[in-house]
Amino acid sequence: DTEVTQTPKHLVMGMTNKKSLKCEQHMGHRAMYWYKQKAKKPPELMFVYSYEKLSINESVPSRFSPECPNSSLLNLHLHALQPEDSALYLCASSQEEGNNYGYTFGSGTRLTVV
Amino acid sequence: GQSLEQPSEVTAVEGAIVQINCTYQTSGFYGLSWYQQHDGGAPTFLSYNALDGLEETGRFSSFLSRSDSYGYLLLQELQMKDSASYFCAVLYMIYNQGGKLIFGQGTELSVKP
Repeated sequence: DTEVTQTPKHLVMGMTNKKSLKCEQHMGHRAMYWYKQKAKKPPELMFVYSYEKLSINESVPSRFSPECPNSSLLNLHLHALQPEDSALYLCASSQEEGNNYGYTFGSGTRLTVV
Repeated sequence: GQSLEQPSEVTAVEGAIVQINCTYQTSGFYGLSWYQQHDGGAPTFLSYNALDGLEETGRFSSFLSRSDSYGYLLLQELQMKDSASYFCAVLYMIYNQGGKLIFGQGTELSVKP
């Protein structure tokens, strides 16, 4: 298995809703990442998990809450989002944090906040 | 801070060769990567250079000069399916924090028949 699987693929949520994005990989990678991507822009790093511990938070607002239940799973909990949070949310993994031999990205969750 | 610069768009014809340049300014530099992203798709890893020189993978090659803080991606024998956005990305390490992979603004490549 050489994939990162993200669910759901599309999500529409109201500003008062709570939802979660899920990411799963079975490549034995020990680092996992959340990126946010707006249209025609590059992916922007949000969070880095290394060996199931949060190692980097790029000053992301608290309405985004990451969770790494085990080495294969990464969640992003969403609460009280704003319309400007609408974007493609990408999960990625790599063998180790700081390993530049390729991040594997999932296809993303396209989030619309109404 | 960290910054990467690459052209916003490039147009070429099928069968041609195109070079996408990337210059960077960053501390704690570990290496330069290239990613391809088709519209609506996931970024896909293409290549990685940690040391100076040229790395070749099929039709794609990537070059790095650490002294010039410069790299490029070379695409040969262009095909229509190569139309996509191409991102250079720098991995840098922060003491006591970890590694960050930061992307340039992306170059949109259009391949014409």
